[in-house]
Amino acid sequence: DGGITQSPKYLFRKEGQNVTLSCEQNLNHDAMYWYRQDPGQGLRLIYYSQIVNDFQKGDIAEGYSVSREKKESFPLTVTSAQKNPTAFYLCASRRQGGEKLFFGSGTQLSVL
Amino acid sequence: DQQVKQNSPSLSVQEGRISILNCDYTNSMFDYFLWYKKYPAEGPTFLISISSIKDKNEDGRFTVFLNKSAKHLSLHIVPSQPGDSAVYFCAASLTSGTYKYIFGTGTRLKVLA
Repeated sequence: DGGITQSPKYLFRKEGQNVTLSCEQNLNHDAMYWYRQDPGQGLRLIYYSQIVNDFQKGDIAEGYSVSREKKESFPLTVTSAQKNPTAFYLCASRRQGGEKLFFGSGTQLSVL
Repeated sequence: DQQVKQNSPSLSVQEGRISILNCDYTNSMFDYFLWYKKYPAEGPTFLISISSIKDKNEDGRFTVFLNKSAKHLSLHIVPSQPGDSAVYFCAASLTSGTYKYIFGTGTRLKVLA
């Protein structure tokens, strides 16, 4: 079955540590997105990528980094510069010319 | 600056009645609008969408209305069912150019049996 796989489901970060959230899709979609959900704040855009080897900052990119070396993969690194990383992280994808975003099941990141 | 707003954090409706969820936006350049349903600890699932060239789109029990002059859209669910209880997000996008999707803060719908 085609879809978007996010791993791990739960992740814990120690102070000063970088962690990487995985997002893989087998939908052959060109565009991929990372959102962060905090209680009462909806979904906020971190980074997005329209094509391989290209990505743009979203509204809250500080403290995060991404790469898009392969069409099917868009990993998100939460760096030690992100002072409030506890949130639910969602990855999404969209086919070229399409209007809908398809979402993965999310990763809950917490700070130890 | 919040470009997409859902001013009602929660809504309770009796089973079988109509649920109306509202969304306002500020950027007149948005050309596509979507509604998503979300359960806790899961990813949002697509419900229904509408292009800015239309004012209504219907899919089964779900209808979305768009009022461009008021920069307002609404989602109607008729009849409401207990399984509709979830958080609903509206989203707006610019499908030419950046293809950014901006989401509202969500409305928690509770359908009472």
